[in-house]
Amino acid sequence: DAGVIQSPRHEVTEMGQEVTLRCKPISGHDYLFWYRQTMMRGLELLIYFNNNVPIDDSGMPEDRFSAKMPNASFSTLKIQPSEPRDSAVYFCASIQMGTGELNEQFFGPGTRLTVL
Amino acid sequence: QKEVEQDPGPLSVPEGAIVSLNCTYSNSAFQYFMWYRQYSRKGPELLMYTYSSGNKEDGRFTAQVDKSSKYISLFIRDSQPSDSATYLCAMSAWGNEKLTFGTGTRLTIIP
Repeated sequence: DAGVIQSPRHEVTEMGQEVTLRCKPISGHDYLFWYRQTMMRGLELLIYFNNNVPIDDSGMPEDRFSAKMPNASFSTLKIQPSEPRDSAVYFCASIQMGTGELNEQFFGPGTRLTVL
Repeated sequence: QKEVEQDPGPLSVPEGAIVSLNCTYSNSAFQYFMWYRQYSRKGPELLMYTYSSGNKEDGRFTAQVDKSSKYISLFIRDSQPSDSATYLCAMSAWGNEKLTFGTGTRLTIIP
């Protein structure tokens, strides 16, 4: 398997523009997570889905952020309008929940977002 | 105060040295304790995990959890330049659904 795929890998935009980040989880995985990583705050969970349904979005910082998962193989994270403080690396991760004690989260390579 | 505190470093040690990385936490509900390794410009990868208290060894890596002190450690023996990365601790109450991460410690092993 190709692993978790994210696009674009880098995004530079201007304040006020809409930004859409994309994620393709590993085939067969039933949980999908969106994270944001910054030097100051580290890796923060924004939202996660189970079988395409949002389960917990308490980490979404503001109404400017929204996430969707229209099917099992695709998810988007949208920021509208974007602000300079949204500059960070955004990661997508997926899990296949099983009967084991712990199921590893597999992370994508991340999207590095810069908002000017 | 953050639920999970981790010294960001950076930490530089010579090749072959023993490395000690640590995290403290405040949430008593945490039962699963993980260490992730993140190479530059890559996503984190699970290195090892421990359930509840105790030690776990995997090759040159040893994870320790002291729930009474709310303190976890990762030891790396015979450190190699390929161990140079950022190490993130992560914790959860129920397993792998909702993880709380430390900010990460940036480690450099000097040849």
